[in-house]
Formats: sequence, C-alpha cells, structure tokens
Amino acid sequence: AQSVTQLDSQVPVFEEAPVELRCNYSSSVSVYLFWYVQYPNQGLQLLLKYLSGSTLVKGINGFEAEFNKSQTSFHLRKPSVHISDTAEYFCAVSDKEYNFNKFYFGSGTKLNVKP
Amino acid sequence: NAGVTQTPKFRILKIGQSMTLQCTQDMNHNYMYWYRQDPGMGLKLIYYSVGAGITDKGEVPNGYNVSRSTTEDFPLRLELAAPSQTSVYFCASSSRDGSYEQYFGPGTRLTVT
Repeated sequence: AQSVTQLDSQVPVFEEAPVELRCNYSSSVSVYLFWYVQYPNQGLQLLLKYLSGSTLVKGINGFEAEFNKSQTSFHLRKPSVHISDTAEYFCAVSDKEYNFNKFYFGSGTKLNVKP
Repeated sequence: NAGVTQTPKFRILKIGQSMTLQCTQDMNHNYMYWYRQDPGMGLKLIYYSVGAGITDKGEVPNGYNVSRSTTEDFPLRLELAAPSQTSVYFCASSSRDGSYEQYFGPGTRLTVT
C-alpha cells in the first residue's frame, strides 16, 4: 500500500507571498498524483493532477506542482497567495499499475493566508 | 446536474445502533468511493465500486458494508455503531474516461455516543 506524507500540518503565510506545500509518497512504482483543496464544511475539489508527460503541472487558481520521481515528491506551489486560498490541501496518490482505483491521501496541510 | 449528493448532513447515533448513509450521483460515473475523514488524518478509503454489482474493500472496511445495485447509488451501512466510527464521511465518484478526477459530495458528519 502507498503512504503519503504531508510534512507541514499548518502553513501560515502573508497575502501575496509565495507558498510551497510539500508532499512525498512512499513507492517508486508508477503513480498518478493529485492535489485537492477543501474549503470549510465542503467536500474536496481537484486542484491539479499528474498522470504522465510534463513533470510540471498547472492547475486552477494559479497553483502548480512538480513531479519528482527520484525524490518521490509532488510539491504544490503558488507564487502569490490570496486570502481566498485559505483552505486545507490534500495530496493523493494512486498506483498506476496495480489498482488505480485505490487512492491514498495525505493528512492535509492547512494554509492560512493572513492580510 | 446536482453532482454527488449525500444524506443526511448530520447524524447522532447511540452505540450499537445502525444506519445507512446515502450517496447518489447523476453524472453516470462508473466508479464510486466512500471515505472517512478524521481530524489530522486525511481521508481513508472505506469501500469502492467499479460498477453496479461490484464492490471492493479499501483501507478501513471493518464495521461497514456497501452495496451497488444501480449506477447512481452507493449506500454505506454502519452496523452496531461504535465511538470509533465518529467521523466525517465523504462519498465520491469518477468516470472511467481516463481523467481520474474524483467528484466529492458535501459529507455526512456522524457522531456516535
């Protein structure tokens, strides 16, 4: 089974500053990678995904992530955050070869954007 | 197009009671999932289904049962509720078009006391 590690449980940042949310996964087998965002009292929404191809993936709301196979990482970045980006962010992985229907989520990172 | 709907939104159960969490999607998705979300723990997959009549266990299936008699519905049954099942439950669905994007419902907050 995969495991996903999000090292930072909370990230405080000032508005218009850059941010990076870190995600590492356990297995070196071929994987699909995802970032989801959860606003308070809501379900999760897909921000971006890596399935294949370019290792730099762009998503909605100005977010991007880079897949690094050698470091088994998929860090999420945004060059300038807004107050509205305050939410919890989840990294997820599924195994491309064995069972892509089993998704493993990290424990989440709460991004708190301050004015 | 309502997407994924879940009922109820909130529920309080006594230990030992049973209940069914309902999940319906109107996107004609083949794949459906049940997750639980505990504080600081992220989401854990309980059960999933790749189509009507086909279900399989996820990471944390103990204490739960599912069925998938139609494409649209994927109810989750809790038998003999325990305090450890206090959590927020999310249902999700996805298409088999190769996008792998899951669409989540708004969640059911369950408390077992």
